[in-house]
Amino acid sequence: GENVEQHPSTLSVQEGDSAVIKCTYSDSASNYFPWYKQELGKRPQLIIDIRSNVGEKKDQRIAVTLNKTAKHFSLHITETQPEDSAVYFCAASYRGGSNYKLTFGKGTLLTVNP
Amino acid sequence: DARVTQTPRHKVTEMGQEVTMRCQPILGHNTVFWYRQTMMQGLELLAYFRNRAPLDDSGMPKDRFSAEMPDATLATLKIQPSEPRDSAVYFCASGRWGATNEKLFFGSGTQLSVL
Repeated sequence: GENVEQHPSTLSVQEGDSAVIKCTYSDSASNYFPWYKQELGKRPQLIIDIRSNVGEKKDQRIAVTLNKTAKHFSLHITETQPEDSAVYFCAASYRGGSNYKLTFGKGTLLTVNP
Repeated sequence: DARVTQTPRHKVTEMGQEVTMRCQPILGHNTVFWYRQTMMQGLELLAYFRNRAPLDDSGMPKDRFSAEMPDATLATLKIQPSEPRDSAVYFCASGRWGATNEKLFFGSGTQLSVL
C-alpha cells in the first residue's frame, strides 16, 4: 500500500518568514495530493490540493509543488502569520477505479512566533 | 454550511466496556472514512465505505473493532471490549467519490479515554 513520509515533524519560524514542509510517497500510481491544517483541538481541514497532471498550484500565501518523478510534494507558506500555527498533514491517494483511500503523513507542527 | 457530525465528542470509559461512536456524513456524500489519531501514529485509516458498502477495513483490529453503515445517514464504529491502548481521537470523514471536486470533510472527532 501507499506510504507517506513527512518532514520536518516540527518547524518554528518568525512571523513574516516562509515555511516549507516536504512529503514523499511510495506508490507511483498516486495522483491526488491534498494538504490539511489542524488547529489545536479542531478537525483537520483541507487547505489546498494538487493532482498529478499539475506541477504547481497557488492560493494566496499557500502553494504546493509536485515532482512526480521523484515522488515528492511540498507545501510552501509565505509571509507566515501567528494564525498559521497548526499541525499540517500531507496525504496521497489514487483517484480512479474502485479505490479512494487517503494515506496521511505523520504531520508537521508549525509554530509562527510573533 | 454542511458538516460531518460526530457523537459523542468525549467518552471516558473503563477497560472492557463497549464503546459506540456515531457519524452523520454530509448529505449526498457517498464515501465515509474512519480515522484514528494518536500522537505516535498520526492519522490511521481504520475503515471506509462507499455507498454504504465496506471497501477496506484492513487497518482495523478485527477482534474488537467493527464498523457499519446501517443507512446513508449513519456510520458507526464499535469497540468491544475496549482497552487503554484504544485511547485516541476518532475522526469520521465523508466525501463524494466520483465527483470532480473530491474533498474530504472531517467531523469534530470523538476523544476516547479508556481507563
